[in-house]
Amino acid sequence: GENVEQHPSTLSVQEGDSAVIKCTYSDSASNYFPWYKQELGKRPQLIIDIRSNVGEKKDQRIAVTLNKTAKHFSLHITETQPEDSAVYFCAASNDYNTDKLIFGTGTRLQVFP
Amino acid sequence: EAQVTQNPRYLITVTGKKLTVTCSQNMNHEYMSWYRQDPGLGLRQIYYSMNVEVTDKGDVPEGYKVSRKEKRNFPLILESPSPNQTSLYFCASSLLPGASSDTQYFGPGTRLTVL
Repeated sequence: GENVEQHPSTLSVQEGDSAVIKCTYSDSASNYFPWYKQELGKRPQLIIDIRSNVGEKKDQRIAVTLNKTAKHFSLHITETQPEDSAVYFCAASNDYNTDKLIFGTGTRLQVFP
Repeated sequence: EAQVTQNPRYLITVTGKKLTVTCSQNMNHEYMSWYRQDPGLGLRQIYYSMNVEVTDKGDVPEGYKVSRKEKRNFPLILESPSPNQTSLYFCASSLLPGASSDTQYFGPGTRLTVL
């Protein structure tokens, strides 16, 4: 089955700097890769996702890149702000069974003002 | 308003006392899932359902049961809870596979403590 590894587990950056979180997956059939943000005490919420037919997707300060050959994908946050502080989860699944998302273990991002 | 609701939000119980956590969604989603979230382990899927009367095991199904008698509801049942089931539980729902958006909408979470 699919296995998703996420690094780093914690990440501290200065406000205005960029943050990068990386995930690798094992199942070459996986083709859907969402990223979730979970603020303290709240539910995970989708912030961006990418499908395997594209290599990069951007939404304002957030971007996700996908390398299918190497089976890894990354979340990039530019111009970080204190409100970006949260736990971020990557996940992977395939169209055959999109309800069976496999999550990474999470990255706690702290943005210091 | 599109939402996923869970009840109760907090529950403290004792070993062996059967409990049910309810989950309901108003988005007419076919797919529903239960996850547990534990420190250092991320979100792990317990059970999922692809439609009414169709359920299947996720990665950590032991000690749990589910049912899907109606499209909107997907209760999680712990017949005989044990302390290792102390966790934060999330219900989630989503659309059909291959849809333009497979966004999973999460409920607010249920924090369960089993003494």
